[in-house]
Amino acid sequence: NAGVTQTPKFQVLKTGQSMTLQCAQDMNHNSMYWYRQDPGMGLRLIYYSASEGTTDKGEVPNGYNVSRLNKREFSLRLESAAPSQTSVYFCASNSLFEQFFGPGTRLTVL
Amino acid sequence: RKEVEQDPGPFNVPEGATVAFNCTYSNSASQSFFWYRQDCRKEPKLLMSVYSSGNEDGRFTAQLNRASQYISLLIRDSKLSDSATYLCVVAEWAGNMLTFGGGTRLMVKP
Repeated sequence: NAGVTQTPKFQVLKTGQSMTLQCAQDMNHNSMYWYRQDPGMGLRLIYYSASEGTTDKGEVPNGYNVSRLNKREFSLRLESAAPSQTSVYFCASNSLFEQFFGPGTRLTVL
Repeated sequence: RKEVEQDPGPFNVPEGATVAFNCTYSNSASQSFFWYRQDCRKEPKLLMSVYSSGNEDGRFTAQLNRASQYISLLIRDSKLSDSATYLCVVAEWAGNMLTFGGGTRLMVKP
């Protein structure tokens, strides 16, 4: 039982490049989330998916797109990376009582 | 105004000390409350839920004051291993989206 997994763990991009962050959970949770965390700041919600086939914007969605591929997988895409998107990205899924996080992806955009 | 506010610290305390953190939230409809712990460069993990009557888990005690909309966390007999950032988290209901505070950093010194 791996919980929430994310790939890659680290990534360096040049401005304008695109990439997709992958996330998967094996806990059969309906809800999944993407957050970003900047130094000294809390987690800010980018997008979430309440169930397979649905996605909604969070607090900071600009510059990102998501896909809920199936119940297990929820990917985050940066179409044209900008230096302001340098951050640590966490994927998470929910039970009723707890939110479980993946280990994070550290992204640097030069 | 942030929805969940915390003193960022750092709180520097000696081993064995008692330390308390407070957090205020602005959404009066919030029904679920939590403290998460985040170690440096790691993902957040649930420390404890916070119940209306207050609850204790070993050296950790959480309190909720709905009238004043604040939540507290008390750590007794601090250990070096308690050094981390503590995130105050609220949700409108169990299993709903979480709103995170910016975190309070604790450093326990020998």
